[in-house]
Amino acid sequence: GIQVEQSPPDLILQEGANSTLRCNFSDSVNNLQWFHQNPWGQLINLFYIPSGTKQNGRLSATTVATERYSLLYISSSQTTDSGVYFCAAENDYKLSFGAGTTVTVRA
Amino acid sequence: GAVVSQHPSWVICKSGTSVKIECRSLDFQATTMFWYRQFPKQSLMLMATSNEGSKATYEQGVEKDKFLINHASLTLSTLTVTSAHPEDSSFYICSARGDGRRYNEQFFGPGTRLTVL
Repeated sequence: GIQVEQSPPDLILQEGANSTLRCNFSDSVNNLQWFHQNPWGQLINLFYIPSGTKQNGRLSATTVATERYSLLYISSSQTTDSGVYFCAAENDYKLSFGAGTTVTVRA
Repeated sequence: GAVVSQHPSWVICKSGTSVKIECRSLDFQATTMFWYRQFPKQSLMLMATSNEGSKATYEQGVEKDKFLINHASLTLSTLTVTSAHPEDSSFYICSARGDGRRYNEQFFGPGTRLTVL
């Protein structure tokens, strides 16, 4: 299956700071999704982004499919942004998840 | 749109009993659903792919007789953990492939936390 690597594994931010999370994948994909897992375990869909750039409020994402990576940008971080961010890539009809980036935003 | 529910949200059972977890797509039809398992502070691991009206496809290393999956309708898939043991304790999450233009996306349920005593 496809290999997905996320970096950094942990990120500590001061409220208001900006950050970039990275996701590398080992093969071509027909689906690339970013999720935020809240403290209760619910996975929240952030972006479906197999290629290109999307923005949703303070979050934006870019996937460069030819170079096999995706970036998630968090701007003006808030304490509610804390949690684990997962990148997941799909080929052969299966999503493979990265290990996640744990983000802690301090007030 | 694209809401997925799971029931129960948590369950505690004695070793040797069976537990059934339901996964429903509430506002769309899901021909394909997936079951994942997540251990504390780890990522999600795909257990099986469930297609409506056919047998589930299990990932390597997942015991099909231990984890029974039934996808009887376009909105419901069930996972039954048979003869549960403490090592089956985990967080089980289902997802459903979207329909129409959102077919390539997966939408996740809130998860079920299973504790086997």
